Amino acid sequence: DAKTTQPPSMDCAEGRAANLPCNHSTISGNEYVYWYRQIHSQGPQYIIHGLKNNETNEMASLIITEDRKSSTLILPHATLRDTAVYYCIVRVAFGSGNTGKLIFGQGTTLQVKP
Amino acid sequence: EAGVTQSPTHLIKTRGQQATLRCSPISGHTSVYWYQQALGLGLQFLLWYDEGEERNRGNFPPRFSGRQFPNYSSELNVNALELEDSALYLCASTIAWGLGNQPQHFGDGTRLSIL
Repeated sequence: DAKTTQPPSMDCAEGRAANLPCNHSTISGNEYVYWYRQIHSQGPQYIIHGLKNNETNEMASLIITEDRKSSTLILPHATLRDTAVYYCIVRVAFGSGNTGKLIFGQGTTLQVKP
Repeated sequence: EAGVTQSPTHLIKTRGQQATLRCSPISGHTSVYWYQQALGLGLQFLLWYDEGEERNRGNFPPRFSGRQFPNYSSELNVNALELEDSALYLCASTIAWGLGNQPQHFGDGTRLSIL
C-alpha cells in the first residue's frame, strides 16, 4: 500500500472550511484514498473514500487531483466538535491476495478554534 | 443501525495474567479486524478474521490470538500480559471480503491497563 504524507497539525476557525491535504505520490491505479478521524479516546470514525472522482457525503468532500498524487479533505463548516486527528490512508481494494488492513500514519491534528 | 460494540470498556490486569476482549460487528458484516493503539505508536494492525477463519496477522507475538464465532463476533486473547501491552484495542468490521473498497467501521475500543 502506498505511503501518505500529512501535515502534523492545522488550525481552523469555527464556521470556516477546513481543508486537510494529503500527499500520496506513489499511489497505484487500484488504490483508494480513505479518510478517518479520531476524537480523543474514541475509535476512528470513517469519513469518506474515493478512487479518482471527487466524492461528497454528509460529512465532507474529497477532492482527488487528476494525477491522483494528492487529495484534500474538505469540512465545509468546521465546528468545535470537528477537532480531532485526521488520517489519510491509501489502500488497495481488498480481495484475493490482499488483507484489507489499514495502515495508519500519524495523521493531522485539526484544532478548530472559536 | 447499531455500530461496532466492544467490551469491556476498560480492563485492568497485572503482569502474567490473561485478558479477553470482545467485539460485536455491525449486522451483516463478516470481516473483523483488530488493531492496537499504544501510546506514541499509533494504530497497528493485529489480526483479521473473516468467515470464522484467521486470514492474516500483524507483527505481534503468538500470545496475541483470537477467534471469530459463527455469529461473526470475535474475541481477542492476550496471554502472559506484559507492561507494554497497555493500549487501546480497537475492533473494526467490514462487509464481506471480496467486495472491494468497502470501509472498515470501528468500535470505541477496550482500554487495557497492565499494572
